[in-house]
Amino acid sequence: DAGVTQSPTHLIKTRGQQVTLRCSPKSGHDTVSWYQQALGQGPQFIFQYYEEEERQRGNFPDRFSGHQFPNYSSELNVNALLLGDSALYLCASSLAQPRGGQFFGPGTRLTVL
Amino acid sequence: QQQVKQSPQSLIVQKGGISIINCAYENTAFDYFPWYQQFPGKGPALLIAIRPDVSEKKEGRFTISFNKSAKQFSLHIMDSQPGDSATYFCAPTGLTGNQFYFGTGTSLTVIP
Repeated sequence: DAGVTQSPTHLIKTRGQQVTLRCSPKSGHDTVSWYQQALGQGPQFIFQYYEEEERQRGNFPDRFSGHQFPNYSSELNVNALLLGDSALYLCASSLAQPRGGQFFGPGTRLTVL
Repeated sequence: QQQVKQSPQSLIVQKGGISIINCAYENTAFDYFPWYQQFPGKGPALLIAIRPDVSEKKEGRFTISFNKSAKQFSLHIMDSQPGDSATYFCAPTGLTGNQFYFGTGTSLTVIP
């Protein structure tokens, strides 16, 4: 049973560019959350998707957007990249019910130059 | 997000010793209290979690102690091993929300 998978593993972009990150949830999970983790910090919640809708959003600007597909996989899009967007982007999947822990993927390391 | 405060920031323990990490929270709506373990270059992994209807949960060498009135919960690692060296995060969440609020992390080093 594959866990949460993310692609790509690493990505280098320049300021102003746009990026798309992808996530496939753990088998059987229907909810996907995205987090940004800066070096030496805890993960910060970006948003969560359930039934192809954004269910909750953290304190991130509209440059961060997402999508969930019918097969529960998800994309995170970041527009107009800033240097400060450099971080590890983590995808986590879970069940809507019964609610329990989130299972994380290995992350995508984004570097903005 | 200051809803969760984790301490200490770093911890050095001798092999075989007990590691204790604490988490204090503000939101009384939290009803699920997990601890995550993260190794360098990896995503966080769920280690152990507790719900507020019990005060303690033990899984192998890992124990969560929960104090609802003090709004605190802690992770105890018994017989700490060098392989436990990692960063640990508390990340409570609540009934009305789906957001997990991560603490700032505790870097644990277990010396052989």
